[in-house]
Formats: sequence, C-alpha cells, structure tokens
Amino acid sequence: ELKVEQNPLFLSMQEGKNYTIYCNYSTTSDRLYWYRQDPGKSLESLFVLLSNGAVKQEGRLMASLDTKARLSTLHITAAVHDLSATYFCAVAARGSGGGADGLTFGKGTHLIIQP
Amino acid sequence: NAGVTQTPKFQVLKTGQSMTLQCAQDMNHEYMSWYRQDPGMGLRLIHYSVGAGITDQGEVPNGYNVSRSTTEDFPLRLLSAAPSQTSVYFCASAYYNEQFFGPGTRLTVL
Repeated sequence: ELKVEQNPLFLSMQEGKNYTIYCNYSTTSDRLYWYRQDPGKSLESLFVLLSNGAVKQEGRLMASLDTKARLSTLHITAAVHDLSATYFCAVAARGSGGGADGLTFGKGTHLIIQP
Repeated sequence: NAGVTQTPKFQVLKTGQSMTLQCAQDMNHEYMSWYRQDPGMGLRLIHYSVGAGITDQGEVPNGYNVSRSTTEDFPLRLLSAAPSQTSVYFCASAYYNEQFFGPGTRLTVL
C-alpha cells in the first residue's frame, strides 16, 4: 500500500524567509505532483515531477524529486503573504496508467506567511 | 472549454437519502476519478474510470457507486447517505500526466 507523508503539517513563517516542505512516499513511483489549495477552493496544479533528479521552478517555488530516497521537496524562497495556502503532494504508484488509476495524497501542509 | 464541472456545489441530505453527484468534462479525457476530502486527511480516492464502460474501486469505495456510460460524464451515487459521508467531493479527469480537478461539491449529511 502506497503511503505518502508530508511534513510539516502546519507551518507559520514570516515574509522574506525560506523554507522547505518534505514529501516522503513508501513505494516506487514514477510520478509526483504538487498542488496548492486555497480555502474553499479546488486544487491548483503546481508541478509534475516525472524522473529522478527532476527539478522544476515557478516564481518563488521550486520542487525536486529523488526517487531513490522516495523524497520530494517543495522549497519556498523569500516567502510572500500570497503564498499562504495548503500544499499537497500526491504520488502515482508505478505502473498505474494515465493518472486516473488514482493518486495517493499526503495530508497537506497548511502554510501561513505573516507580513 | 469548460474543463471539469461538478453539480451541485452544495448539498444537504438527511441520513438514508440517496443522491447523485454529477461530474462532466469536455476535454475528451479517457480517465476520470472521484476523491473525497476530509479535514486533516488530504484527498482519498473513491472510484476511478479508465474509459467508458470501465470503472474500478479506489481506497474508500464503500457506500458509493459509479458508472461511465459516456466519455464526458462520471456520476457518483450515494445509495443511502450517512453522516460519515459528510465531505467535500472532487472529480478529476486526466490526460497523460496532467490531472484536472473540478470545483468540488460540499456535502453535508444530517
């Protein structure tokens, strides 16, 4: 059974600081996703990581994947208040096709960035 | 394209009532799925479909039925609602490595 653990689950930080959210998963996977969710809203896709060593960046967010360690990180650089949200990682088990065989989600990291 | 649409946005049911949550997509995606989101639990897969006429169970299928008669539609049926089914339900469609989530249905069962 694929398990996905995120930490921390709650993070309060000040603007301008850097921080990293960690996502560990228990079995081999070839796809890892990061999503953002604002209160009362749906999920917004941030990154899809498909191979070992993959690194993707968008603005102040950077995600990386280490398939050997079964670890992905989401790094926030010089945080701003607008990045306050809940961030989820999700993993597709290797061999599942097309993406809708289903993803296993972490419990989410509730991030508050204070001015 | 409207993307993935879900109706209703909000619903209140009494225990034992049945209802269908609607999900449609206009992107001609073969793959669709249903998730529920509970506080502190992330999203959990209920059922999924890899194409018209093909469905399968996810992590938490009990109490829910699905069917996929067309590529566009993937309704989720609650046969006899229970308070434990109070949740936010998200439908998603997928194309290769991209998942597209609908806006969600917030369901309360009293």
